[in-house]
Amino acid sequence: QKEVEQDPGPLSVPEGAIVSLNCTYSNSAFQYFMWYRQYSRKGPELLMYTYSSGNKEDGRFTAQVDKSSKYISLFIRDSQPSDSATYLCASRAQTGANNLFFGTGTRLTVIP
Amino acid sequence: DTAVSQTPKYLVTQMGNDKSIKCEQNLGHDTMYWYKQDSKKFLKIMFSYNNKELIINETVPNRFSPKSPDKAHLNLHINSLELGDSAVYFCASSQDRVSGELFFGEGSRLTVL
Repeated sequence: QKEVEQDPGPLSVPEGAIVSLNCTYSNSAFQYFMWYRQYSRKGPELLMYTYSSGNKEDGRFTAQVDKSSKYISLFIRDSQPSDSATYLCASRAQTGANNLFFGTGTRLTVIP
Repeated sequence: DTAVSQTPKYLVTQMGNDKSIKCEQNLGHDTMYWYKQDSKKFLKIMFSYNNKELIINETVPNRFSPKSPDKAHLNLHINSLELGDSAVYFCASSQDRVSGELFFGEGSRLTVL
């Protein structure tokens, strides 16, 4: 079993839709949760970062963590074609990136 | 000005050959990494270097050898390439010990024939 599980999709939505991307994790010690966005033929870029449970909002993006169910979510409001990319969730237990575990990524396409 | 740059971007080679991928970061970060991304987009850490010292080696075959001449460079040398080595290899760096944000290069796509 992978440390972080993610539905690979693909997921296609019309422009303006609300998108929900989800991951589960198995390690109760995980404290830090991240979402990376990867455009085609590019490296991943950090999109959102949260610590422990709760919500964090940044513009059209909301990251949500429920540690009781080991569930990580990313919501995208008013989705745009420029949001088309692969979204990878990642988690780790301790400070520092050395033991960061990634999900397999969900490929999202927003159709104009 | 590219923060993390790696070369070559594409590499096609025959089984059994030896090849190297170079990485440089101009962010002044102390820690650099090599990640392997397979065809299913699964990203897995291979190596981590902090100030030229190896601090992770995650069950990677010893055909893979990282070399860090200084903290701004982390090269990856691969001996006796196998078909299963075909993947995209990403170099990354980090500095923030709290968030652990990784800055990735654009990747080097290796195809072994």
